[in-house]
Amino acid sequence: DADVTQTPRNRITKTGKRIMLECSQTKGHDRMYWYRQDPGLGLRLIYYSFDVKDINKGEISDGYSVSRQAQAKFSLSLESAIPNQTALYFCATSAVSSGSSYNEQFFGPGTRLTVL
Amino acid sequence: AQRVTQPEKLLSVFKGAPVELKCNYSYSGSPELFWYVQYSRQRLQLLLRHISRESIKGFTADLNKGETSFHLKKPFAQEEDSAMYYCAPKEVAGFQKLVFGTGTRLLVSP
Repeated sequence: DADVTQTPRNRITKTGKRIMLECSQTKGHDRMYWYRQDPGLGLRLIYYSFDVKDINKGEISDGYSVSRQAQAKFSLSLESAIPNQTALYFCATSAVSSGSSYNEQFFGPGTRLTVL
Repeated sequence: AQRVTQPEKLLSVFKGAPVELKCNYSYSGSPELFWYVQYSRQRLQLLLRHISRESIKGFTADLNKGETSFHLKKPFAQEEDSAMYYCAPKEVAGFQKLVFGTGTRLLVSP
């Protein structure tokens, strides 16, 4: 089955370390997203990419960067991790819709990141 | 700014009781709205979308443009409904991406 995968699934790191979270998809979707989930704050968009040449900042992009290496791969980097970046990170994909504007997002399993 | 509000962080009910998870939005025009659900140890997934007017797992959601609401309802809650629920309007302009609310955790007790 076509899927969205994330690596690693869990990561513990120290303040100041550089961390990369990876997302791969076999759904053939053009659009990819990175979110973080925090208790009480819900799901917040970090970055999104509508194709390989298109990268956009979301509502909380400070402290993060991304790379869209291919249609199927979208990586999130924390250049210098800090404790308040401890969260659950989700990657998602969606197809470019035609006709109607509907485009369901499909989520990966999440990466739990802890910054000490 | 376009906003979505889910006023309840936690909703706790007993099995068999009616459930209503509230969602209000501040979008102008005619936004598309969705409900996503995250069961324990599972991925976030689409539950339903207002344009299809469907009932999924007994849940329905009616778009009320006058009240700018899209509340999720189920007449008789089941224990397996316990999950995190997110309301997500779609932006009406620009990239038309989804904007997720802060979520409501539904806990259904036996």
